[in-house]
Formats: sequence, C-alpha cells, structure tokens
Amino acid sequence: SAVISQKPSRDICQRGTSLTIQCQVDSQVTMMFWYRQQPGQSLTLIATANQGSEATYESGFVIDKFPISRPNLTFSTLTVSNMSPEDSSIYLCSVTTQTKNIQYFGAGTRLSVL
Amino acid sequence: KQEVTQIPAALSVPEGENLVLNCSFTDSAIYNLQWFRQDPGKGLTSLLLIQSSQREQTSGRLNASLDKSSGRSTLYIAASQPGDSATYLCAVYSGSARQLTFGSGTQLTVLP
Repeated sequence: SAVISQKPSRDICQRGTSLTIQCQVDSQVTMMFWYRQQPGQSLTLIATANQGSEATYESGFVIDKFPISRPNLTFSTLTVSNMSPEDSSIYLCSVTTQTKNIQYFGAGTRLSVL
Repeated sequence: KQEVTQIPAALSVPEGENLVLNCSFTDSAIYNLQWFRQDPGKGLTSLLLIQSSQREQTSGRLNASLDKSSGRSTLYIAASQPGDSATYLCAVYSGSARQLTFGSGTQLTVLP
C-alpha cells in the first residue's frame, strides 16, 4: 500500500494569485497523478507526473496554468496559477503501485477562490 | 475512449436495508476496477479492487462483482448503516489509456 500526505488540506485564495499543493508518499512510486474534482462532479485527470521527465497533461489542461514538479520518487507539487473562481475545486494527488495497478489517493486539497 | 456510468445518481434507504450500486463501462479491455468511497469535501478511500481475471471481491459488508464481458460491476452493501452515507465512485483502469476513468458516482444516504 501507499500512504499519501497532501498539503494544504484546504485554502481560500484571492483571484489572480497562485497556490502550490504538495504531495508526499511514504514509498517510492513511478507514476503520480493529479486530479481535479469540481463541485458536484467526478474526478478529472489533470496530468501524470513521472520522475525525471516533464508531466503529461490531459486535454484541456496546460503547463502554464498547472505547472507540476516531480523532483524525486516520493514527492510532487501542483501549482494552480493565476487563479479564478472557476478553479475552486478539490485537487487530489494519487499514486499507483507497480504491482496490481492499485491506485491510492491523498485526502485532497479543497481550494476556494474568491 | 473509456466511459464509465453509475446508476443511480442518488439513493436514499432506511437503515438495515441491503442495496446495490451499479457501474457500467464501455471498453472491456481493463486491468482492474476499483470502488471508492468519498465523504463530503474529502479525498477517496479505496473500498475494493477487482482484477480483470476476478469475478468478485468481498470486504466485510461489501461485495463487488465484475462481469467484464458485459462491462458491468455491482457493489452490494449488506445491512446498511448511517455511517455508510457517502458518495461511491467506480473507476476502471484501462490498458489503452493506462489511467483510471471515473464514473460520476452514486450519492448514498442511509436514514436512521
């Protein structure tokens, strides 16, 4: 299994500012994922972050808006840049184990943009 | 493209009832299927994972089945309790996409 710590758990931010969300895993993992869950919606994959390479973004998400770092096998950050109220969502970090392709999730970051 | 559908979108039952949540997916080429629970404003808790070669998994009062050929899974909850109230999400891990695709969830309310 994998235990994921995500910080902050929630934040209220002003329009136009940026927020960096941290994700720490208790074991080395190859693939880390960042998801967004807008109010009342299911999860949407933002990007896949592999250590040592650029993140791969899904359609509708761009690096300038959601820059991602993956400096090592246990840590990643997601930045939500130049925020607007439409960015108010829960952002979740996730990892997959190499065996059985089980996916684990952090507790999420609840972001509100005023 | 994999699509996952969950029915019903919302369900309200009295305490003690047995209930079934449904999940269907369009592409049967999956590695596994996971059922998650999400409490309001919180992250996801994995409940059960069924590998593509399996037909069901059980954990306590929960039983999940998988019929890959028909693209369906069910989550059976026995003797429901108010603490079971949450949103239940089904997600499939597809070989082609190499990522989880989520359904929109079933919001369950168990009334005391």
